[in-house]
Amino acid sequence: QAGLTQPPSVSKGLRQTATLTCTGNSNNVGNEGAAWLQQHQGHPPKLLSYRNHNRPSGISERFSASRSGNTASLTITGLQPEDEADYYCSAWDSSLSAQVFGTGTKVTVL
Amino acid sequence: QLQLQESGPGLVKPSETLSLTCTVSTGSVTSNSHYWGWIRQPPGKGLEWIGSIFYSGNTYYNPSLKSRVTISVDTSKNQFSLKVTSVTAADTAVYYCAREADDYDSWGQGILVTVSS
Repeated sequence: QAGLTQPPSVSKGLRQTATLTCTGNSNNVGNEGAAWLQQHQGHPPKLLSYRNHNRPSGISERFSASRSGNTASLTITGLQPEDEADYYCSAWDSSLSAQVFGTGTKVTVL
Repeated sequence: QLQLQESGPGLVKPSETLSLTCTVSTGSVTSNSHYWGWIRQPPGKGLEWIGSIFYSGNTYYNPSLKSRVTISVDTSKNQFSLKVTSVTAADTAVYYCAREADDYDSWGQGILVTVSS
């Protein structure tokens, strides 16, 4: 099953801005966009952004999502120590009739 | 707040069938707005979507797992279940159940299933 491509790691300083990318194709990201999830070690994933870029209740405004063509992005502003986690994108693939996940990006706050 | 809880054996022998159940609390599997899904994560690796089900019984499966996977729903118990047949060590993972409201917005805590003799 084809997945979505994410950079393995991103490292930024405290209070800096990190931008994570997620590349798919016209059948998934380019079609309906991508959702973003955060996962801390030993915990289940948590939804940060719906594919329509809306944030679920309780999610900080420091997390914002966007899309350009077949690439989705998640921007984290004012990085905090608690933002250290793995981040995954996900999208519905209309050609596969299946959900696909990204490979995941580990964010390190220096 | 919606709660989901996975349950089932933590150890399964190779070639046997893995069976898990997800119990939904403070919510209903008969919701018209949601699918209910299973996602797994091998130790140290990323997320893999297994499949999802609507309360009517309509299902979608990961094409790479479709031949071995069955997801079912029991509306009387407010549960949905996963079966994976002919398991191997590659099926060792934390298995999560989750609610899909356009995207997966509520997750269970996960259950580690190890395939080993």
